[in-house]
Amino acid sequence: DVKVTQSSRYLVKRTGEKVFLECVQDMDHENMFWYRQDPGLGLRLIYFSYDVKMKEKGDIPEGYSVSREKKERFSLILESASTNQTSMYLCASSSPVAEAFFGQGTRLTVV
Amino acid sequence: GEDVEQSLFLSVREGDSSVINCTYTDSSSTYLYWYKQEPGAGLQLLTYIFSNMDMKQDQRLTVLLNKKDKHLSLRIADTQTGDSAIYFCAEYTGRRALTFGSGTRLQVQP
Repeated sequence: DVKVTQSSRYLVKRTGEKVFLECVQDMDHENMFWYRQDPGLGLRLIYFSYDVKMKEKGDIPEGYSVSREKKERFSLILESASTNQTSMYLCASSSPVAEAFFGQGTRLTVV
Repeated sequence: GEDVEQSLFLSVREGDSSVINCTYTDSSSTYLYWYKQEPGAGLQLLTYIFSNMDMKQDQRLTVLLNKKDKHLSLRIADTQTGDSAIYFCAEYTGRRALTFGSGTRLQVQP
């Protein structure tokens, strides 16, 4: 069975903290993505990666960075968390020209 | 550019058909997808259609694609309370990641 696993379902962090969101997939997919989901705005692409050590900015990369040291793992980093980064974060993976499979999401609250 | 639009809310009675609509702007879309998100969960792929098709049926689900108008719809026959969720349409153009609409919240009333 296809599986994308995000390390936490819920996180509460303080303003200014460095936050790591981890995502692991077991399908040997080349592509991995980080989206954030906010009511009325749908899913917005933060960063994506087509290969190990490769990353590309999505639509809203400001305040975020990513790391892909291994094919199966894609990490999203909030360098200095702010309250406007409170959101649901969704990780996904896919092979080229195929549907994306999603993790269960991490709901991050920054206080 | 890429832009995908959906209405935000749809309410139907149990047993009726639901039709969720989506419009997109990128004519180079190669695949169009429908995802379902239940409360507190990630997105689950429901169905997809290639851009060279105009209809796809899968049990209670029917997808219609009008390429001329760049309009995609998802019809759910005999809608059940378990169909209550947010439905996202998404397009893939081959250039980058999927582009999603804002999602349509489907409420099914008993």
